[in-house]
Amino acid sequence: DAKTTQPNSMESNEEEPVHLPCNHSTISGTDYIHWYRQLPSQGPEYVIHGLTSNVNNRMASLAIAEDRKSSTLILHRATLRDAAVYYCILSTLIYNQGGKLIFGQGTELSVKP
Amino acid sequence: DVKVTQSSRYLVKRTGEKVFLECVQDMDHENMFWYRQDPGLGLRLIYFSYDVKMKEKGDIPEGYSVSREKKERFSLILESASTNQTSMYLCASTLGPFRKLFFGSGTQLSVL
Repeated sequence: DAKTTQPNSMESNEEEPVHLPCNHSTISGTDYIHWYRQLPSQGPEYVIHGLTSNVNNRMASLAIAEDRKSSTLILHRATLRDAAVYYCILSTLIYNQGGKLIFGQGTELSVKP
Repeated sequence: DVKVTQSSRYLVKRTGEKVFLECVQDMDHENMFWYRQDPGLGLRLIYFSYDVKMKEKGDIPEGYSVSREKKERFSLILESASTNQTSMYLCASTLGPFRKLFFGSGTQLSVL
């Protein structure tokens, strides 16, 4: 499985945008980029995913570099509830692998009021 | 929304006991997963299943087995619990590749 690299931690101020980076220099052409986050004492939850084009949803935006070797998760206005560990994950369609995801260490985001 | 339910939030067992962790999902998902989460090690995949009675080893299957007799239920079995299996166990399910993964709230297992 291709590997991702994220900073261990980041800080943000409430109501400001947050850009969470992820490097994945060994990404292959069929790898999707997924982002999940894990709030304290909860299981991870889906945030967003994409293949090549930038993606937006109600939670966040995903900006994918043209060469796909890096991506950035953008939270447009951080709130205290966004404090969590954010995971950037690649997944490859392998027969019978059922969409498994291999989680790395993630970035712990803290949000200051 | 999809619900993934894990039978216990907290569980305390003795070394050598046989332990069953149960997970049920209510959205007819094909694929189910068991992860464990430890401080400093992140989430690690133990086993997954892409169909009833099918199972595949993840990255750390040693000491564990699984059972998927019905589509909605995926059980993780610790045949003889050991203290190094003290961990947070997370179950997840998905409709298929590149679809959202839905997680349960986790079971914090302590083996004494």
